[in-house]
Amino acid sequence: GENVEQHPSTLSVQEGDSAVIKCTYSDSASNYFPWYKQELGKRPQLIIDIRSNVGEKKDQRIAVTLNKTAKHFSLHITETQPEDSAVYFCAGDGGYNKLIFGAGTRLAVHP
Amino acid sequence: DAGVIQSPRHEVTEMGQEVTLRCKPISGHNSLFWYRQTMMRGLELLIYFNNNVPIDDSGMPEDRFSAKMPNASFSTLKIQPSEPRDSAVYFCASSLGGGEKLFFGSGTQLSVL
Repeated sequence: GENVEQHPSTLSVQEGDSAVIKCTYSDSASNYFPWYKQELGKRPQLIIDIRSNVGEKKDQRIAVTLNKTAKHFSLHITETQPEDSAVYFCAGDGGYNKLIFGAGTRLAVHP
Repeated sequence: DAGVIQSPRHEVTEMGQEVTLRCKPISGHNSLFWYRQTMMRGLELLIYFNNNVPIDDSGMPEDRFSAKMPNASFSTLKIQPSEPRDSAVYFCASSLGGGEKLFFGSGTQLSVL
């Protein structure tokens, strides 16, 4: 089955800097890769997703890149703001319509 | 739409008691997922349903756990008997179909003493 590894586990940046979180996956059948943001005590919420036929997708300050050959994908946040502080989860679908999540990255943005 | 609705928000029970968690998916969504979240194990998929039919329950930890979806607007996750290691936040999520664009409920914080 699918296995998703995520790093770093914690990331601390200054406001205005960029943040990059990386994930690798094991199942070459995976073709859908979302990113979820979870604020403290809240539910995970989808922030961006990418399918395997696309190499990059951007939405304002957030972008995701995918390298299917290497089986890794990354989340890029530019011009970080304190409200970006949260836990971010990547996931892969393993080709079976069920999301397997990475362990999460705790991002802290310091003013 | 009110989103995915879970109840109760918090549940405190004693070891050995039966616990039932409830979920109402978003109207029109065909897939429903139960996840468990702990610090040690992160977000674990327990079971998912498609059109009210259980598709994959390989994540259900043991026979003490069971899940049902009697109709398109309601699902339950039952733990009987409960144990302290079951303490976690249990999330229900739904989607239009499959694993894409999941909407999560607010979760049930379960504490088993």
